[in-house]
Amino acid sequence: AQTVTQSQPEMSVQEAETVTLSCTYDTSESDYYLFWYKQPPSRQMILVIRQEAYKQQNATENRFSVNFQKAAKSFSLKISDSQLGDAAMYFCAYRSKNTGNQFYFGTGTSLTVIP
Amino acid sequence: DTAVSQTPKYLVTQMGNDKSIKCEQNLGHDTMYWYKQDSKKFLKIMFSYNNKELIINETVPNRFSPKSPDKAHLNLHINSLELGDSAVYFCASSQGNKGETQYFGPGTRLLVL
Repeated sequence: AQTVTQSQPEMSVQEAETVTLSCTYDTSESDYYLFWYKQPPSRQMILVIRQEAYKQQNATENRFSVNFQKAAKSFSLKISDSQLGDAAMYFCAYRSKNTGNQFYFGTGTSLTVIP
Repeated sequence: DTAVSQTPKYLVTQMGNDKSIKCEQNLGHDTMYWYKQDSKKFLKIMFSYNNKELIINETVPNRFSPKSPDKAHLNLHINSLELGDSAVYFCASSQGNKGETQYFGPGTRLLVL
């Protein structure tokens, strides 16, 4: 089974600064999807950004961008100009295109934004 | 306007009771899921239904039984609740293999006393 690893249980960043959250995964597949979800204290799971493995270009969504290194099986999330509202738990997730509708989630990184 | 809704939002109950959590999505998706998030925030899939058919059934106790009356609903019934069932339960939906993104409900916090 695929595994998703987030090696940073906790991270902190100063407001307006940039922070990078790391994610690695293990797979033998060549085509798949990767996601970052945000879970604020409200507990709602919110999609931040997604990446299709066959696309070379890194996905970007406003202040959020990814560094997708397919060969290294790495999918880090960069948050620029951090805001207080970015404080949340961030989950990296993998979805296979071949093995049904199963999502695999990492264990999450808790991000604190310091005013 | 809510895409994926769950009721109730909070559920406090005694050990041994039977309870249900309801989930509805108005996105027209054909696949729905139940996840359990424990106290350490680890998110684990429990079930997945595609067009009302069970396609993922991870190792969960038989006390947990999903029911999908139609594509827009996936309810979770739990019998004989135990202390270890205390967690946040998330419902999610996606459009099968075409719409790869899962949309999550707000979660139901279950506390078993």
